[in-house]
Amino acid sequence: DAGITQSPRHKVTETGTPVTLRCHQTENHRYMYWYRQDPGHGLRLIHYSYGVKDTDKGEVSDGYSVSRSKTEDFLLTLESATSSQTSVYFCAISESYRGQGLGNTIYFGEGSWLTVV
Amino acid sequence: KQEVTQIPAALSVPEGENLVLNCSFTDSAIYNLQWFRQDPGKGLTSLLLIQSSQREQTSGRLNASLDKSSGRSTLYIAASQPGDSATYLCAPSDSGGGADGLTFGKGTHLIIQP
Repeated sequence: DAGITQSPRHKVTETGTPVTLRCHQTENHRYMYWYRQDPGHGLRLIHYSYGVKDTDKGEVSDGYSVSRSKTEDFLLTLESATSSQTSVYFCAISESYRGQGLGNTIYFGEGSWLTVV
Repeated sequence: KQEVTQIPAALSVPEGENLVLNCSFTDSAIYNLQWFRQDPGKGLTSLLLIQSSQREQTSGRLNASLDKSSGRSTLYIAASQPGDSATYLCAPSDSGGGADGLTFGKGTHLIIQP
């Protein structure tokens, strides 16, 4: 299994509070991603990173920010949590990006269950 | 925008049967397509990756085919076992093959009865 650790694994928070989810990898992969998974929508990309301090938006980035100060850590922050952000959040990593046929496999963490009440 | 449909949404069969899971996508300009497995309460595990130039990939009892021009992929599971019970998702990539370009289907929930 790829060395990906998400924390916290479960969190309940109140509307309006800030929340930070952490993804830590031990694989030294360059690319890291945050997804959310919701019934009826499947998996959707929130933000991704292609290197230290290099990030870009995904499909559903509104209300989220990210930071990557070290290769191994990718943080997802909900500045002011809303009930619509109740979801399961998955971190993922991949070795290559616009690959040349090798190393495009993406590895997922175990998920962080977030409930906003 | 790429749209991915997986049929059936759920499937329950007795152990030992051969299965076909279907995935269709609307934009055929894909770089590659991956099949994933997700166990309850867990993350996704990549099963097979098919490059756009390939027709199929095999891993053990799993075989995935890709017909890019018709926007279809199938995952064939031979001699199914209870341990194969999981949700299977397909994800074509239409962004130069990068994982940021993955569009996931909603999955097929598979139950293999002992």
